[in-house]
Amino acid sequence: AQKVTQAQTEISVVEKEDVTLDCVYETRDTTYYLFWYKQPPSGELVFLIRRNSFDEQNEISGRYSWNFQKSTSSFNFTITASQVVDSAVYFCALSGRETSGSRLTFGEGTQLTVNP
Amino acid sequence: DSGVTQTPKHLITATGQRVTLRCSPRSGDLSVYWYQQSLDQGLQFLIQYYNGEERAKGNILERFSAQQFPDLHSELNLSSLELGDSALYFCASSVSVNQETQYFGPGTRLLVL
Repeated sequence: AQKVTQAQTEISVVEKEDVTLDCVYETRDTTYYLFWYKQPPSGELVFLIRRNSFDEQNEISGRYSWNFQKSTSSFNFTITASQVVDSAVYFCALSGRETSGSRLTFGEGTQLTVNP
Repeated sequence: DSGVTQTPKHLITATGQRVTLRCSPRSGDLSVYWYQQSLDQGLQFLIQYYNGEERAKGNILERFSAQQFPDLHSELNLSSLELGDSALYFCASSVSVNQETQYFGPGTRLLVL
């Protein structure tokens, strides 16, 4: 079975602080994909990043960066210089080619609150 | 805007009733997925269709069914509704079936009273 764990239920920071959201996953698949989605208060799910299991290069997109480490089965997400607009629930998700096809297994989500 | 549309945005109904949720995928996407988001279960995969055919099934109740039409839009039918079916139902679409990115619609918020 596949599993995604986001141990941080809620995080609260002050604007301009850096914040890291943790994601740990379990899968027996050798080929799998990891995702992060953002769910702002309006409710929609917004795609942020997709990473395959063979690409451990870290990625940076503006204030967002992702650290993928297969050795620890982690795919952590860092927001640099956080802003109030970053307040949302963030979900990490996993899709394993062999066992689950394209379906996404989501973590429980981390509620991030950025205070002015 | 992801390009995935869902109607209606909100639905309030009574126990025992039947409702239909509608989804139009992004232009060019052949796969449609349905997910349920509830407080106790989190985000859970329900079912996937690819080019009109059922492709994968998750924890979908027997009271629920779905289909994808020739124009690729999809409908999720929920019948004999119970209080516990109250949730946010998302539709997502992707190009095909190979772990591409799934883009989500705005969701339909269902409240069963």
